[in-house]
Amino acid sequence: DGGITQSPKYLFRKEGQNVTLSCEQNLNHDAMYWYRQDPGQGLRLIYYSHIVNDFQKGDIAEGYSVSREKKESFPLTVTSAQKNPTAFYLCATLRDRDRGGYTFGSGTRLTVV
Amino acid sequence: QKEVEQDPGPLSVPEGAIVSLNCTYSNSAFQYFMWYRQYSRKGPELLMYTYSSGNKEDGRFTAQVDKSSKYISLFIRDSQPSDSATYLCAMTSQGAQKLVFGQGTRLTINP
Repeated sequence: DGGITQSPKYLFRKEGQNVTLSCEQNLNHDAMYWYRQDPGQGLRLIYYSHIVNDFQKGDIAEGYSVSREKKESFPLTVTSAQKNPTAFYLCATLRDRDRGGYTFGSGTRLTVV
Repeated sequence: QKEVEQDPGPLSVPEGAIVSLNCTYSNSAFQYFMWYRQYSRKGPELLMYTYSSGNKEDGRFTAQVDKSSKYISLFIRDSQPSDSATYLCAMTSQGAQKLVFGQGTRLTINP
């Protein structure tokens, strides 16, 4: 059963900590994306990657880092430099860049405590 | 001004009503238009996909694109309580690296 697995579903972070959100896909899609969703603001692009070992900053990359060592995996690290990390984080893949049709994971809810 | 504008609502209608959801955009290069449905605490799922102008129908859902007015719509006929969700419009242009999303409209269908 193909899809995207995001873990954990809920994550709590203390002030000053780095945390890593996992995104794994078995769809064999080349492109992977990380979005942040806040109430009333829609989805904002953090980072994206179209091939292994290559990634680009999105609109709100400050305070975040990513890696793409394998086609199946695109982990997102929320660093202590991100001043307002509490949000819903969504990972997505894209089969055909020009035809839209993202597939989304079920998301990770990150809360700073 | 945002590249894509969508009224965040909330929008509340009785069961069986026809629902109209809309987005406007400013980038005339957009050619691919999508509607996603997102249930609470879940990831969005692709509902409708349209290329360029025109209408597309899928069951109770109809997507319309008017490129001359830079305006897209999603109509839901015979709305059901299970249609209660947030609806996000998204669009992109040929060769673009990413989708641009609207804010999302929160819809509630009351039994």
